[in-house]
Amino acid sequence: NAGVTQTPKFQVLKTGQSMTLQCAQDMNHEYMSWYRQDPGMGLRLIHYSVGAGITDQGEVPNGYNVSRSTTEDFPLRLLSAAPSQTSVYFCASTGQGYGYTFGSGTRLTVV
Amino acid sequence: DAKTTQPPSMDCAEGRAANLPCNHSTISGNEYVYWYRQIHSQGPQYIIHGLKNNETNEMASLIITEDRKSSTLILPHATLRDTAVYYCIVRPLFSGGYNKLIFGAGTRLAVHP
Repeated sequence: NAGVTQTPKFQVLKTGQSMTLQCAQDMNHEYMSWYRQDPGMGLRLIHYSVGAGITDQGEVPNGYNVSRSTTEDFPLRLLSAAPSQTSVYFCASTGQGYGYTFGSGTRLTVV
Repeated sequence: DAKTTQPPSMDCAEGRAANLPCNHSTISGNEYVYWYRQIHSQGPQYIIHGLKNNETNEMASLIITEDRKSSTLILPHATLRDTAVYYCIVRPLFSGGYNKLIFGAGTRLAVHP
């Protein structure tokens, strides 16, 4: 099915560990974004990309890295996980001028 | 992007119309009004967007005032499955290198039997 696929769905990390959250879309969308959502809060933009090879920071970029080597994939890397990064992470994509399609989320707990 | 103001919560009886307001008094001429909703920790779902004319699709209707400073999302026959947080977002249709979607707090709609 067409859409945005996020893996894993759940993850528990220890403080200081690193990991990569995967995001892939098969709609040939140029624009992709990563958001985090803390309990009871709205979504906050972490990083976004307007095309392969182009990324930029959002509202809360500290502690996260991204790259965009292909149109389809937009991985989010946590270099040294901290408890403050416990959250639900959503990836989204859109073509020019249309509504964003969101993935189902990755629920990350850092202990 | 223009800032939006929404009520934090609303209630609606099942089968009745749900009218969700949004104020965006600083909206610019090239900015569209987008509506998304998030059902219980799922990823947000696009509902509808519009510039100045009223819009309707299979999910909802969007009414934008003539001065474009406010809008209303209408769910014509709300069901229990429409219980969600609804986000009103104002942004250009295509803003080149700044194609960001910034979420506010939204309106928590509770549909009850």
